[in-house]
This record gives sequence, C-alpha cells and structure tokens, in this order.
Amino acid sequence: AQKVTQAQTEISVVEKEDVTLDCVYETRDTTYYLFWYKQPPSGELVFLIRRNSFDEQNEISGRYSWNFQKSTSSFNFTITASQVVDSAVYFCALSEVIQGAQKLVFGQGTRLTINP
Amino acid sequence: GAGVSQTPSNKVTEKGKYVELRCDPISGHTALYWYRQSLGQGPEFLIYFQGTGAADDSGLPNDRFFAVRPEGSVSTLKIQRTERGDSAMYLCASSPQRSGVNEQFFGPGTRLTVL
Repeated sequence: AQKVTQAQTEISVVEKEDVTLDCVYETRDTTYYLFWYKQPPSGELVFLIRRNSFDEQNEISGRYSWNFQKSTSSFNFTITASQVVDSAVYFCALSEVIQGAQKLVFGQGTRLTINP
Repeated sequence: GAGVSQTPSNKVTEKGKYVELRCDPISGHTALYWYRQSLGQGPEFLIYFQGTGAADDSGLPNDRFFAVRPEGSVSTLKIQRTERGDSAMYLCASSPQRSGVNEQFFGPGTRLTVL
C-alpha cells in the first residue's frame, strides 16, 4: 500500500529563517506523482507543486524549493527566508492511479509557525 | 474563474440525523473527489466520480455514506444515521480530464459536527 510520512508534526521558526519540511513515501509503483499542498487557517488546500517519478530535477519557485530523491524515497520542501504568511499546515501527497482515479494519499501534515 | 465551492461551510447535527453536503466543481472539470479530514490528520479519500458515475467508492467507510453526481457537475455526499465519529472536515476536489495525473483543486470544505 502507498504511504506518506511527514515525521515533523510541528515546526516553529523565527521569520527570515530557512526551514525544510520532510516527506518520505512508500510505493510499489514505478510511475507515480508527488504533490505538496498548503492549508492556511482558512482551511482550503492550496496546490504548490506536482512532480512525477521520472523527473528528479530539483525545482525552485521564488522562496520555495523542492528536493526529490528517488534513492531515499523523499520529497522535501524548503522555504527560504520564511515569512509570517508562510504559517500553515503543509501536506505532502502521493498520487495513486487506479482505474483512472487519481487518489491522493496524504501525509499527516506539518504545522509550520513563523514567528515575527 | 470560480473555484470549487462547498455548502454549507458548517453543519451541526445530532446523532442519528441525516445530512447532505454539496459540492460545486469548477466548470468543465469531469473528475470529482470527496475526501474526509479529521482533526490533526491529512485528508483521506472517500469517493471519485468521472462524469456521472462513481468510478471508485472504496474509501467510503460504511453503507451509511453515499454520494451522487446525477448530471456530471454538482455532487452531494449523503450521510445517514450520523454518528459522533463522522465529525470531520469534508473536502471536495475537482480535476480536468487530461492525460496524465492532474492537479486537484480543492474547495473550502464543510465542517461537520455531530453532537
């Protein structure tokens, strides 16, 4: 069965610090997709990134960067120069494709608090 | 354009009652998903619709849960004989029908509280 583990339940840092959120996944599929979503206090999940299993290139988007390492089954997310607005719960997810359904398997989430 | 909308935003009911939760997907999205998120947990898959049909309902916890999407757009999640353990945030997501794996766009959720 597919599984996503986010071992860090809560992280608290001071504004402008860099912070990395860990994500480790398990799957038997050779083709899969990984996602990161942000859930601010309003509750709505906001898509951040999608990465397929054939593309191990790291990606940077502004202050956000993602490190995908197939050898360790990890897909870590780093926020550089964190800001208070980054405070949210962050979820890593793995896409399971069965009969056309793209079921997302989520980790438990990491609650990130950025203190001013 | 408009995102996924869900109504009501909050629903408080008594144990044993029947509830309906509604989801309006993004226009043109053929795939629709329901997830349930308990406090402090990640969302868990409930059911997937492709068009009008439920293509995968393997995540529904028991036969008290049922969902429909009669015209391939709006979907309703129905819970009979509610129990306190049903209290959670119910999230709906929609996705366009394209090849490959697509992003799911989530609604704001309905927070269900069963007293």
